[in-house]
Amino acid sequence: KAGVTQTPRYLIKTRGQQVTLSCSPISGHRSVSWYQQTPGQGLQFLFEYFSETQRNKGNFPGRFSGRQFSNSRSEMNVSTLELGDSALYLCASSPFQVSGANVLTFGAGSRLTVL
Amino acid sequence: DAKTTQPTSMDCAEGRAANLPCNHSTISGNEYVYWYRQIHSQGPQYIIHGLKNNETNEMASLIITEDRKSSTLILPHATLRDTAVYYCIVLPRGGAQKLVFGQGTRLTINP
Repeated sequence: KAGVTQTPRYLIKTRGQQVTLSCSPISGHRSVSWYQQTPGQGLQFLFEYFSETQRNKGNFPGRFSGRQFSNSRSEMNVSTLELGDSALYLCASSPFQVSGANVLTFGAGSRLTVL
Repeated sequence: DAKTTQPTSMDCAEGRAANLPCNHSTISGNEYVYWYRQIHSQGPQYIIHGLKNNETNEMASLIITEDRKSSTLILPHATLRDTAVYYCIVLPRGGAQKLVFGQGTRLTINP
């Protein structure tokens, strides 16, 4: 079956612009989470969506936002871009089982460069 | 969520077993141990998970101590393609999908 698809894979923006990244989860997966990876901070949790509701949020400023659609596809948006937002943005999906283990499947990521 | 401690780096010869330790001394009874790895610039890849018992799949084996305070990931016959950063993560069952990645162990497989 198809994996987690993230688009675009690469993009370049300038400071002050905004960007929208898209994530299509594995069919049947209802939980989508987003992570930011930078050389200095490593992998950091941004937020998680389940059934179109944000369930958890990491410690990021309000410029970072997201949403999930009824088909479980998710988007994240970063407004007023700063140089420090340059990173690999990773999306992961899971089926979410209330009583069991939940394995996350990650996409290849969207590499954002802010100039 | 429980924190984990892993060595920063390890080396292993190609064809030998790679044993990666992880300490999770504050783990609670309903928390699973998961292992992921990340090959340079790619998304993390799931390897294996376990709760109490040892587990084995086509990629690796997971040995969890009886007190559950530590575990070891074993790659039985390491290849050059196993060179990656390996992350040990603890997460409660049914919990929010909020993985907390530490620094992980950078495993280098040498020819």
